[in-house]
Amino acid sequence: DGGITQSPKYLFRKEGQNVTLSCEQNLNHDAMYWYRQDPGQGLRLIYYSQIVNDFQKGDIAEGYSVSREKKESFPLTVTSAQKNPTAFYLCASSPANQPQHFGDGTRLSIL
Amino acid sequence: AQSVTQLDSQVPVFEEAPVELRCNYSSSVSVYLFWYVQYPNQGLQLLLKYLSGSTLVKGINGFEAEFNKSQTSFHLRKPSVHISDTAEYFCAVSGADRGSTLGRLYFGRGTQLTVWP
Repeated sequence: DGGITQSPKYLFRKEGQNVTLSCEQNLNHDAMYWYRQDPGQGLRLIYYSQIVNDFQKGDIAEGYSVSREKKESFPLTVTSAQKNPTAFYLCASSPANQPQHFGDGTRLSIL
Repeated sequence: AQSVTQLDSQVPVFEEAPVELRCNYSSSVSVYLFWYVQYPNQGLQLLLKYLSGSTLVKGINGFEAEFNKSQTSFHLRKPSVHISDTAEYFCAVSGADRGSTLGRLYFGRGTQLTVWP
């Protein structure tokens, strides 16, 4: 079945470490997105990419980095510069001018 | 940039009662509007969307929403809720005018719907 796969489901990070969250889609969608979700704050956009080898910052890009080397993959790296990384991270994808489809998320916690 | 206000952070309701979850958005020339549902520890699932045409849109699980341009609202309704409708609901907007970044969604903070037996 087509869909979006995020891995791992749970991730733990030590202080000062970078971690990479995986997002893979087999829906052949051009656009991909990363959101951060905190309780009571809704979803906030971190980065998005509308085409391979191109991406733009969202509203809260500081402390994060992404790459888009393949159409189906859009990994997110949470760097040590992100001072409050504990959150639920959601990846999404969409074809042009159509609603976004979401993965099941990765919950990141600091040890 | 667009913004979305969900007026109620929590809505408790008894089973089989009607429910309305309210959503207002900032004005733009034209918009696309969406409602998503999220069950615990899961991603978001699309309930319904307004892209153009009829202002009353029907979605999955018996939900519907009405686009009101003059009031910049897109309230979600269900005439009779079930316990399985307990979840968090998010309203989202995307600009549809030429200056907008296509696909860029702005979310409200969410409304937790709790259905009691």
